[in-house]
Amino acid sequence: DGGITQSPKYLFRKEGQNVTLSCEQNLNHDAMYWYRQDPGQGLRLIYYSQIVNDFQKGDIAEGYSVSREKKESFPLTVTSAQKNPTAFYLCASSMGRSRLAGGNNEQFFGPGTRLTVL
Amino acid sequence: GENVEQHPSTLSVQEGDSAVIKCTYSDSASNYFPWYKQELGKRPQLIIDIRSNVGEKKDQRIAVTLNKTAKHFSLHITETQPEDSAVYFCAASRTGGFKTIFGAGTRLFVKA
Repeated sequence: DGGITQSPKYLFRKEGQNVTLSCEQNLNHDAMYWYRQDPGQGLRLIYYSQIVNDFQKGDIAEGYSVSREKKESFPLTVTSAQKNPTAFYLCASSMGRSRLAGGNNEQFFGPGTRLTVL
Repeated sequence: GENVEQHPSTLSVQEGDSAVIKCTYSDSASNYFPWYKQELGKRPQLIIDIRSNVGEKKDQRIAVTLNKTAKHFSLHITETQPEDSAVYFCAASRTGGFKTIFGAGTRLFVKA
C-alpha cells in the first residue's frame, strides 16, 4: 500500500480548533486531490491541485484550505469555519497533465484520515 | 454542473448470481470512465476502466460497457462471491488532469 500516505489515521479535534491533515505521495504525480466521504455517501471533492503552487476549489471548499508548495505534499487544513467537519477524508493523486498519462486519469488513494470533532 | 448518477444505491445478490450497476454522466466531453471498489474501512481502488473509444472491456469476472450516445456506462460482475461485497463507485473524467466526478456509490452485498 505504498505510494501515497496520509496521517494521522484517526484525529480528534475540539470545536473551534483548526487541524491539518497530511498527504504525501512518492509516485511523481502532478495532480493531487482531497475528498470528503460521509457515511453511506460518495466522494465529494474539496480541493484539487494540478501542479505545484496551484490549486482549485472543488464542490465543498468552504471551511477548508490547502497548500501545494511541493509536488509530493498536499496538506489540508480543516478550519473552525467548517460547520460539520466530522468525516472520513481521502487524499488522492494522479498523473494529471503529464504526457506519460496516456489518457489515463486513474486516481490513487491514500488510506484516509477519520476526523472526529468532540 | 457536471454530474454522475449511479443506481442502485444498494444491491443484494445471492452468491453465484450476477450484479449490474449503472451510471449516467452529464459532461459529453468525458472520455475516461473508471470503477473503484472500496472495502469496509479501506481506500477505494481501481478495478476496471474504459475509455471512450471502446464499447466494452472485460477482465475475468468483471466487465464494463459504455454507450457514449446515451451517456451511460455499466459494471457487470458475474459469478459473484462474498469477497465482492463492498461499495462500488463509478466515475467520469476528461483525460489530462481534469477533475474526476464520482457517483454516489453502490453498496453490494453478496449473500453466501
